Amino acid sequence: QKEVEQNSGPLSVPEGAIASLNCTYSDRGSQSFFWYRQYSGKSPELIMFIYSNGDKEDGRFTAQLNKASQYVSLLIRDSQPSDSATYLCAVVVSRTGNQFYFGTGTSLTVIP
Amino acid sequence: EAGVAQSPRYKIIEKRQSVAFWCNPISGHATLYWYQQILGQGPKLLIQFQNNGVVDDSQLPKDRFSAERLKGVDSTLKIQPAKLEDSAVYLCASSRSGTVNEQFFGPGTRLTVL
Repeated sequence: QKEVEQNSGPLSVPEGAIASLNCTYSDRGSQSFFWYRQYSGKSPELIMFIYSNGDKEDGRFTAQLNKASQYVSLLIRDSQPSDSATYLCAVVVSRTGNQFYFGTGTSLTVIP
Repeated sequence: EAGVAQSPRYKIIEKRQSVAFWCNPISGHATLYWYQQILGQGPKLLIQFQNNGVVDDSQLPKDRFSAERLKGVDSTLKIQPAKLEDSAVYLCASSRSGTVNEQFFGPGTRLTVL
């Protein structure tokens, strides 16, 4: 079983729509969760992190964490073509001594 | 603030040859990570250093891969001998201290093994 799982997509949304990206994790004890964005041929860059259950908003981005169901999601409101990228979910897995695991990423395309 | 520096940016070698990558983290960052990212996959952690000590190298293929961070600043990752399946982008990242802090990534080194 993988520590972090994401739907690889591709996910396509029209410009201005809400993009919803989901991630599940296997270690119930995990406490730290991150969303990174990776443009093609570039390195990952941090979008948001979340530690507590519930929602965390930052501009057009909202991270949602549900520890009981072991999933974390990222919502992108008013999607723009510049949001087209691969979105990587990452989890600090406490069971393995706070190792950092990335999911395989979800490819998002925003259609103008 | 200067970012994470890596070199070389690209490297092409033949299988069974050796190769080394260099990384200089952001000044003051105690934690340094090396990741392997195969095309279409997420980054996989190879090794994590805290200052000049190894915190985690459980996913490092130690029969062919080695890494060091002698003075707690820059780091080198070596592959000897290389295999075809080592073709990937090798990413270096650093953070202030530990995995709970934001990791900043370097531009990566794209390795092609022929």
